[in-house]
Amino acid sequence: DGGITQSPKYLFRKEGQNVTLSCEQNLNHDAMYWYRQDPGQGLRLIYYSQIVNDFQKGDIAEGYSVSREKKESFPLTVTSAQKNPTAFYLCASSLQGTLNTEAFFGQGTRLTVV
Amino acid sequence: GQSLEQPSEVTAVEGAIVQINCTYQTSGFYGLSWYQQHDGGAPTFLSYNALDGLEETGRFSSFLSRSDSYGYLLLQELQMKDSASYFCAVRDESGYALNFGKGTSLLVTP
Repeated sequence: DGGITQSPKYLFRKEGQNVTLSCEQNLNHDAMYWYRQDPGQGLRLIYYSQIVNDFQKGDIAEGYSVSREKKESFPLTVTSAQKNPTAFYLCASSLQGTLNTEAFFGQGTRLTVV
Repeated sequence: GQSLEQPSEVTAVEGAIVQINCTYQTSGFYGLSWYQQHDGGAPTFLSYNALDGLEETGRFSSFLSRSDSYGYLLLQELQMKDSASYFCAVRDESGYALNFGKGTSLLVTP
């Protein structure tokens, strides 16, 4: 089955630790995105990537880092510089181009700082 | 900059019709799309409007007026399972980043 997979579903992190969230897709999509969701805040864009080895910052990139070494994978690292990392993180992918805006989302990772 | 405005909450009765509005400001417009998200789940794509007018998909319709920078999602014959959050979204001026509104929480009551 084609789709986008995020892991783990739940993640606990101690303050001061870096943690990496996984996102893999087998839809052959060029574009991938990371969003953060807090209650009442909607989906806020952290990073996005249009092609392998290239990515751009979104609105709230501070304290996060990404890599895009393979088309299928777009991992997100939440660094210790992110002061309030507890949130629901969603990864998405879509075809390249401006006319088709359908994005496919993973089931999300809920990160909690303990 | 870019902004998307939608009501934060809407309540409607089962079987009724509800309209969720979205106004946007963006320097480059590539169409307006709508997503549904049930509590704790993944957002799923509902519809996309690139041109003015109404697009119908079953019980859901979406409308766009580019001159008014305005669109809406219309849900007919509401069912309890339609209780969810609904987001409008647009591409940024580059055409690449996909940005979402803060979402409208729809509660369908018996």
